[in-house]
This record gives sequence, structure tokens and C-alpha cells, in this order.
Amino acid sequence: SYELTQPPSVSVSPGQTASITCSGDKLGDKYASWYQQKPGQSPVLVIYQDDKRPSGIPERFSGSNSGNTATLTISGTQAMDEADYYCQAWDSSTVVFGGGTKLTVL
Amino acid sequence: QVQLQESGPGLVKPSETLSLTCTVSGDSFSSHYWSWIRQLPGKGLEWIGYIYYSENTNYNPSLRSRVIISVDTSKNQFSLKLSSVTAADTAVYYCARGRFEYNTPHFDYWGQGTLVTVSS
Repeated sequence: SYELTQPPSVSVSPGQTASITCSGDKLGDKYASWYQQKPGQSPVLVIYQDDKRPSGIPERFSGSNSGNTATLTISGTQAMDEADYYCQAWDSSTVVFGGGTKLTVL
Repeated sequence: QVQLQESGPGLVKPSETLSLTCTVSGDSFSSHYWSWIRQLPGKGLEWIGYIYYSENTNYNPSLRSRVIISVDTSKNQFSLKLSSVTAADTAVYYCARGRFEYNTPHFDYWGQGTLVTVSS
């Protein structure tokens, strides 16, 4: 079965750029989505189709996908961005999620 | 504004069937892919399956033998049944709206989630 691999944790200083990666075999040939989940809350879609932002998602969130890696980039990271982030793709008619990355803003 | 709300028992006995319902407001079932996703305690997200056009379903292969997703369009609800549950099925269960674009789904609206514990 298809697997998506994320680093367990990423740390960033406020105002700096955070990059969260998601790796999978030929992931660049698929579309990647990203979800933000804060403690006790439901996931929120922040990026879909690699680089599209849903309405209401700040412009500091961006995405890219090439080769075997999709990347979620948060520019000018704010304390409110501290959360778990999950990537998601579609393979063999199955929805696949990455294991999640805890973003710490310190 | 689309809203989803899960409901159902918070406690299920081992070997029994877990049953949850998701009530949708602000949208119709004529489009989109109505989905169930779960999150084991302290773990990541796991897709369970979805239903679309009220009768077509697609399930996670790892759960397929135990899952049924159905819809009641008259009540704007869709449901999950997971049979023969064990403690490993203890999780927060989310319902979500899936959108398929360019042959790939993403989930743009989620319910608040409901914790289901499997225990005797």
C-alpha cells in the first residue's frame, strides 16, 4: 500500500518560514492536500491540489509538489500556526494520509 | 454554510457493531463524496470510506470487510457501521465532505468529531 512519510516534528521561530515535507513514491505525479489540526479541534484544509488555498486560509500558507516530495510552507509563521499538519494523497482509489507533523513555534 | 454533525453511542462493546450518523446542513447529497475518517488516540488520520451519488461506495481496503456506509437523503444524513469492533477501533470518528477535482479528493468540511470507545 502507498505510504506518505512526514517528519514527526518541526520547530520554527515566530516570523520565520516553516517547511513541512511529505514524501511518497512519485508523489509529484499525484495531487497533495494539507490539513491543520489544533488540539481538540477538527482538521482544517489549508492546501489542496498541491498549491491551492481554500477561501479564508491566509496567504502565508503555500504548497508545492515535485518528484517524491510535497512541501507545505508557512511564511512569517505566527504563534497561532502551532498545530499538527497532515498531508493527504490519492492512490489506487484509496485516500492516504501522512503520519502528521507537529509544528512548534518557539 | 455547510455543517456536519456526528451522533451515536460513545461506548461500544467488543465484537459488536459501531454505528454513527452524520447530519449535514447547508448542502445536498446530489454531489460530493460523504466520508468517514477516524483518528486513533494520539495518532494520525485514517480514511474509512465514502459514499457518493447516494449508492456508490469506496472503502479503505484494511477495513472493507467490516464497513458499511449508507445515506438517507430524506434526512440529509449518512451513516457508518463498523462491525466486530475491538479496542483497536477506539478513536475519534469524523464525518467530512469530500470534493473530487482532477480525479483526486480533498476534504473541505469536517464535523467536530465524536469519541467512540470500545470496552466491555
